[in-house]
Amino acid sequence: GAGVSQSPSNKVTEKGKDVELRCDPISGHTALYWYRQSLGQGLEFLIYFQGNSAPDKSGLPSDRFSAERTGGSVSTLTIQRTQQEDSAVYLCASSRLTLGARTGELFFGEGSRLTVL
Amino acid sequence: GQQLNQSPQSMFIQEGEDVSMNCTSSSIFNTWLWYKQDPGEGPVLLIALYKAGELTSNGRLTAQFGITRKDSFLNISASIPSDVGIYFCAGPQGGKLVFGAGTILRVKS
Repeated sequence: GAGVSQSPSNKVTEKGKDVELRCDPISGHTALYWYRQSLGQGLEFLIYFQGNSAPDKSGLPSDRFSAERTGGSVSTLTIQRTQQEDSAVYLCASSRLTLGARTGELFFGEGSRLTVL
Repeated sequence: GQQLNQSPQSMFIQEGEDVSMNCTSSSIFNTWLWYKQDPGEGPVLLIALYKAGELTSNGRLTAQFGITRKDSFLNISASIPSDVGIYFCAGPQGGKLVFGAGTILRVKS
């Protein structure tokens, strides 16, 4: 497809289980970003990739969160031993370049809504 | 890191009214971006501003990059029901975008 694709769109899991969220960016976009949006909140930065490397993972809340990107394309965000406070919408975005003076347009997917019971 | 403060937090306006919202920062940004998020969707870029003092329009939307580079505003003229959603300001910090908390717009038809 032409846009950023995320799966699953909805995930309900039990506390303590691991979950994997997938992001397929727009073809040719070298930068990929993960954000988290809790109910009624703004967008919380988690991590971004330039190619397969992650120059900034400062937003990952704890060591239960990890992400990888392979082949400069698909990325997976993994949350281990999920907790109720992990419930949120996880948004992925991609851009053609990392942000510079005149870039800055991130194209977002529709998000993966995670509910931890 | 830099924080973006948006106001108001929410607005409930009559269809046809003009809307104004703004975003401020304690630090300078060289780019200001305004995104809109519809319910159940990801945010979509509305307007990008790259130069202090710049005034840019996109249909009924007008945004300005403050001369101090520490603020920006977004105006929506003659609001319609499909304007409902959350409006975010954003700016680059390192290699990522940081976002304000958003302004929720609700329109009475």
